[in-house]
Amino acid sequence: EPEVTQTPSHQVTQMGQEVILRCVPISNHLYFYWYRQILGQKVEFLVSFYNNEISEKSEIFDDQFSVERPDGSNFTLKIRSTKLEDSAMYFCASSEMGLAGGQPYEQYFGPGTRLTVT
Amino acid sequence: AQSVTQPDIHITVSEGASLELRCNYSYGATPYLFWYVQSPGQGLQLLLKYFSGDTLVQGIKGFEAEFKRSQSSFNLRKPSVHWSDAAEYFCAVGAVYNAGNMLTFGGGTRLMVKP
Repeated sequence: EPEVTQTPSHQVTQMGQEVILRCVPISNHLYFYWYRQILGQKVEFLVSFYNNEISEKSEIFDDQFSVERPDGSNFTLKIRSTKLEDSAMYFCASSEMGLAGGQPYEQYFGPGTRLTVT
Repeated sequence: AQSVTQPDIHITVSEGASLELRCNYSYGATPYLFWYVQSPGQGLQLLLKYFSGDTLVQGIKGFEAEFKRSQSSFNLRKPSVHWSDAAEYFCAVGAVYNAGNMLTFGGGTRLMVKP
């Protein structure tokens, strides 16, 4: 069964460094998402991406974050200058489309990348 | 803005016992409701979803959930729990926008199963 993959599974970085988290969505999916979960807190939506542009983003997704689909298979989340509070589990998800008849398509999640900022 | 509350952070049940995980939501429009499960080292897997129609929905792994609009609830149930059901369970509401959707999650309930 096709699945979303994420690399690395764990990333440790120093404050102020740039990190890139990588995701390979399911091959025929067109919508891509990033969510994050700070330890002990809820899973939070960061951004959705469709047709090579951001379609929706949350207040969390400020100028230090960017997303890109650099080729036909990868979807990346870049954090330009990491802060201690960026330490979290980051989940990538994909869906075949966004909506069908006004109803949401299922989002398929990857296993996550645990980012630790020291 | 939408929100989801899962009142129980941890629940422990004996294997073979029944299970109910609570979920309350707040959403101004038609709610699109989901239950996801996360096993250690795994991604979030969809158990079931409710969009409309029959308020009792069946999912994978023997789970079911009942939508009660009057109580703004979408509780997850299983008649007989197996040790492999130990995991973290997340309730979510889907918000639609333009041509897309995004999920708002509850805080999760960690289920432990006693032998």
